[in-house]
Amino acid sequence: DTGVSQDPRHKITKRGQNVTFRCDPISEHNRLYWYRQTLGQGPEFLTYFQNEAQLEKSRLLSDRFSAERPKGSFSTLEIQRTEQGDSAMYLCASSPMGGTSGNTIYFGEGSWLTVV
Amino acid sequence: GQQVMQIPQYQHVQEGEDFTTYCNSSTTLSNIQWYKQRPGGHPVFLIQLVKSGEVKKQKRLTFQFGEAKKNSSLHITATQTTDVGTYFCAGPGDGGFKTIFGAGTRLFVKA
Repeated sequence: DTGVSQDPRHKITKRGQNVTFRCDPISEHNRLYWYRQTLGQGPEFLTYFQNEAQLEKSRLLSDRFSAERPKGSFSTLEIQRTEQGDSAMYLCASSPMGGTSGNTIYFGEGSWLTVV
Repeated sequence: GQQVMQIPQYQHVQEGEDFTTYCNSSTTLSNIQWYKQRPGGHPVFLIQLVKSGEVKKQKRLTFQFGEAKKNSSLHITATQTTDVGTYFCAGPGDGGFKTIFGAGTRLFVKA
């Protein structure tokens, strides 16, 4: 399968614990995004990488959230000191660089987080 | 800030009826995209519109981009149960890096 891969698919954690999600984008895609989605809402932008550079981070993202893409390939999203309000599906997406095709983003299947 | 709004929030139709969802942006868009998310699934890209007034068709789905490039619509002719899901429109955000999504229109189709 050459799509966007996310791991784990489901995570249940106790409030206050740290969690980390991993994303492997489509191999030739330079751009990588993290989104968050809650029930009944559209995907909400969290952060964007172009290769290994984090070029944009949502103002909605608290300092408990950090994302990395160390070698411009896979990415991790860490949430520290989780809160119940962090419960959501965390979607990773990637897109190719340049041209009109660069506007199309390809989502992974998402990582469901439940904070209890 | 920039917003993308969709109406209606929900739509229940009988199989065979038509369905339309509308998307409006607070700013002019260079392009607009449509995605479909099946229940329990993830958003899947359907199409991108770039030109003012552009109309594209995919089988029973017709997508339109407004002349002012601030609104768009998706029309499904003769819905089928396989059309069930949430349809999102999306456009480039400020700065061009991110894609902003509407809240989606959830389509229910009764057989």
